[in-house]
Amino acid sequence: AQKVTQAQTEISVVEKEDVTLDCVYETRDTTYYLFWYKQPPSGELVFLIRRNSFDEQNEISGRYSWNFQKSTSSFNFTITASQVVDSAVYFCALSEAISNFGNEKLTFGTGTRLTIIP
Amino acid sequence: EPEVTQTPSHQVTQMGQEVILRCVPISNHLYFYWYRQILGQKVEFLVSFYNNEISEKSEIFDDQFSVERPDGSNFTLKIRSTKLEDSAMYFCASSEGRAFEQYFGPGTRLTVT
Repeated sequence: AQKVTQAQTEISVVEKEDVTLDCVYETRDTTYYLFWYKQPPSGELVFLIRRNSFDEQNEISGRYSWNFQKSTSSFNFTITASQVVDSAVYFCALSEAISNFGNEKLTFGTGTRLTIIP
Repeated sequence: EPEVTQTPSHQVTQMGQEVILRCVPISNHLYFYWYRQILGQKVEFLVSFYNNEISEKSEIFDDQFSVERPDGSNFTLKIRSTKLEDSAMYFCASSEGRAFEQYFGPGTRLTVT
């Protein structure tokens, strides 16, 4: 069964500091996909990134970067030079590829509430 | 930019009543999902839908729940007889293909009294 653990329930940092959100996953599949979503105070879920299990290259998008390490089953998310607008709940999610025809559900972690203090 | 829309944004209903939550997925997407999030908790998968049938459903998605794509644009979630514990935010999502990123609607907050 697939599982995602986000051990950090809440994090607070002062604006302009860097912050890393941890995500550890469990799966028996060799093919799977990892995601990060942002949930701002307004409540919607905003897609940030998708990574497949065969691509361990780290990715950078502006102030955001992601570190995928299969050896430790982790997919961590770093925000550099944090801003107040980054305040939100961040969810890590996992989907397993299934061999038969169909969809792949997302299994979410419990989320990390990030507060950026001005 | 195309987006998933959901109506209503907030629904208040009495226990035992039927509710229908509506979603319009992104137009060229083929895979549709419903998730729910009880206040302050994680997002939980309910059901996935492709080619006019359910692909997978969770244990939460019991006989009280049903989904339908009544026309080429809408995707609905029906709860036949609501319970207090059905109070949650319900999110619709759609994706272009299998294992593609899922785009979520703004959610419908369901309050059962």
